[in-house]
Amino acid sequence: DTGVSQDPRHKITKRGQNVTFRCDPISEHNRLYWYRQTLGQGPEFLTYFQNEAQLEKSRLLSDRFSAERPKGSFSTLEIQRTEQGDSAMYLCASSPTSGVSYNEQFFGPGTRLTVL
Amino acid sequence: AQKVTQAQTEISVVEKEDVTLDCVYETRDTTYYLFWYKQPPSGELVFLIRRNSFDEQNEISGRYSWNFQKSTSSFNFTITASQVVDSAVYFCALPYNAGNMLTFGGGTRLMVKP
Repeated sequence: DTGVSQDPRHKITKRGQNVTFRCDPISEHNRLYWYRQTLGQGPEFLTYFQNEAQLEKSRLLSDRFSAERPKGSFSTLEIQRTEQGDSAMYLCASSPTSGVSYNEQFFGPGTRLTVL
Repeated sequence: AQKVTQAQTEISVVEKEDVTLDCVYETRDTTYYLFWYKQPPSGELVFLIRRNSFDEQNEISGRYSWNFQKSTSSFNFTITASQVVDSAVYFCALPYNAGNMLTFGGGTRLMVKP
């Protein structure tokens, strides 16, 4: 399978705990994006990387959120001191910067976070 | 500011009916792309089409067709002879900031009944 993969698919945690999600993009894609989707809404942009550089962060990304892409391949999204409002689907996408699929974002299956 | 509006939150049709999903957008960019994605119950967003604002020709792909009208800032999506497998949430999206981030509409939930 050469698509975008995310791990875990589901995470249930208690309020105040830290959680970390992983995203593995399509191997030749150098752009990687994180989005958050709450029930009944469209995805909202959180942050994106070009290679290992984090180039943009949304105002939605509070200080409790941190994302990394240390070697320009996989990425992690960590949420510290989780709150019930963090419950959502966290989607990862990747895109190439050239070729016929330029700027097309390919999405992974998402990680559904439930904060109790 | 970028904005995408999908006024229809939910549509229900019977199999084999045609259905059109509306998308209206706002952008200050003079050139831009527009996207449609499908999100089936499994949750994964599936890319359907990318459209360049230069090209206002309608596009057809099998049972799917798209009507792009720059004058009315609309990019509507029609499914002909709908099937139960078309049941999903459909999102229209508009990139901003040099195409690096997508602004999504609120989505239209399509239910196709047998």
